[in-house]
Amino acid sequence: NAGVTQTPKFQVLKTGQSMTLQCAQDMNHNSMYWYRQDPGMGLRLIYYSASEGTTDKGEVPNGYNVSRLNKREFSLRLESAAPSQTSVYFCASSEGGNNEKLFFGSGTQLSVL
Amino acid sequence: GDSVTQMEGPVTLSEEAFLTINCTYTATGYPSLFWYVQYPGEGLQLLLKATKADDKGSNKGFEATYRKETTSFHLEKGSVQVSDSAVYFCALGGNAGKSTFGDGTTLTVKP
Repeated sequence: NAGVTQTPKFQVLKTGQSMTLQCAQDMNHNSMYWYRQDPGMGLRLIYYSASEGTTDKGEVPNGYNVSRLNKREFSLRLESAAPSQTSVYFCASSEGGNNEKLFFGSGTQLSVL
Repeated sequence: GDSVTQMEGPVTLSEEAFLTINCTYTATGYPSLFWYVQYPGEGLQLLLKATKADDKGSNKGFEATYRKETTSFHLEKGSVQVSDSAVYFCALGGNAGKSTFGDGTTLTVKP
């Protein structure tokens, strides 16, 4: 009954370092998403993957890259971390299609010093 | 583009008080509307949903009605409990599941 699993839960980076956030879902969902959550700004979409083999930019893609490794897994990479990327990152999935509800992971709290 | 405006928080209530969290939206077409709840240290989870005008979503004592004429989807609960303390997000459904979220409203319920 895992749902959406994200790793790591916490991470501290120095400016300029790189890292990859991992996400996997076991619900056989077609679509996956990466959001960031900042105080007073709600959730903003970074990238999404409507189906296996496709990825598209969301509202705030700069400084990030993604890979839809297979139907289950969708990773988010920071190539050169900046303090502005300090945030809580959430992975989510849905069955796909329009107006679908989202299932969220428990989040990764990232600090960039 | 689509947008969601939520009542600013934080909101602090005593146990058994009545709760309203306002949500209004701007959208093209007729999207589904959602309320999600985020408990401390956790991800968001769906609380309730409405798919068309005049639909009422309900769950765990919470209710919200899709009002097309006022473009609103206000969240209500008749008697809140301490365990309802959380952050509540109003959201619009979108193409390919790309939802648009409000900024969130933090609710604290005191015994």
